[in-house]
Amino acid sequence: DAMVIQNPRYQVTQFGKPVTLSCSQTLNHNVMYWYQQKSSQAPKLLFHYYDKDFNNEADTPDNFQSRRPNTSFCFLDIRSPGLGDAAMYLCATSRAPSGRATDTQYFGPGTRLTVL
Amino acid sequence: AQSVSQHNHHVILSEAASLELGCNYSYGGTVNLFWYVQYPGQHLQLLLKYFSGDPLVKGIKGFEAEFIKSKFSFNLRKPSVQWSDTAEYFCAARFDTGRRALTFGSGTRLQVQP
Repeated sequence: DAMVIQNPRYQVTQFGKPVTLSCSQTLNHNVMYWYQQKSSQAPKLLFHYYDKDFNNEADTPDNFQSRRPNTSFCFLDIRSPGLGDAAMYLCATSRAPSGRATDTQYFGPGTRLTVL
Repeated sequence: AQSVSQHNHHVILSEAASLELGCNYSYGGTVNLFWYVQYPGQHLQLLLKYFSGDPLVKGIKGFEAEFIKSKFSFNLRKPSVQWSDTAEYFCAARFDTGRRALTFGSGTRLQVQP
């Protein structure tokens, strides 16, 4: 089945130690998103890629970076995780016809990040 | 700024009770609306969506939602809930501002008691 895959499902890192979360998709969607979801809160968009174009949200800290080496993969890099960065990180994809609003977003299972 | 509001933060129902979860948005333009469900320990799944056309939308698992433009609302309904409906429900919107991102409501935790 086509899907959005996130690895690892659980990640533990130390305060200040860089960490990379991975997302891959078999849907061949051209848009990929990274959301942060803290406990009992709504998902909050960090940034997204429209094809190769990176779109950062205005309030996303510089500590968060992303890479998309090809259509299928997208990475979230947290350069110096703080305790406040502990959260569930969700990857989502959608298909965006040129010049139109995007279609439905499909979410991966998420990676739960713990910062010690 | 555009926003999505879910006023019910925690709802407790008995099995077979009827469900209605409120969702309101603030925006005067065109909006696409979604309901997502997140079962315990699982990922967000799409329940239903509204883009245009018939304002009464039917989704999976017996859920439906009605878009009422005059009320800026998109309430989720189910006539008879089951224990397996216990989950967090998120309303989301995409506004025609050229921004592709979804704006989520804060979520409603539904607890269905057997």
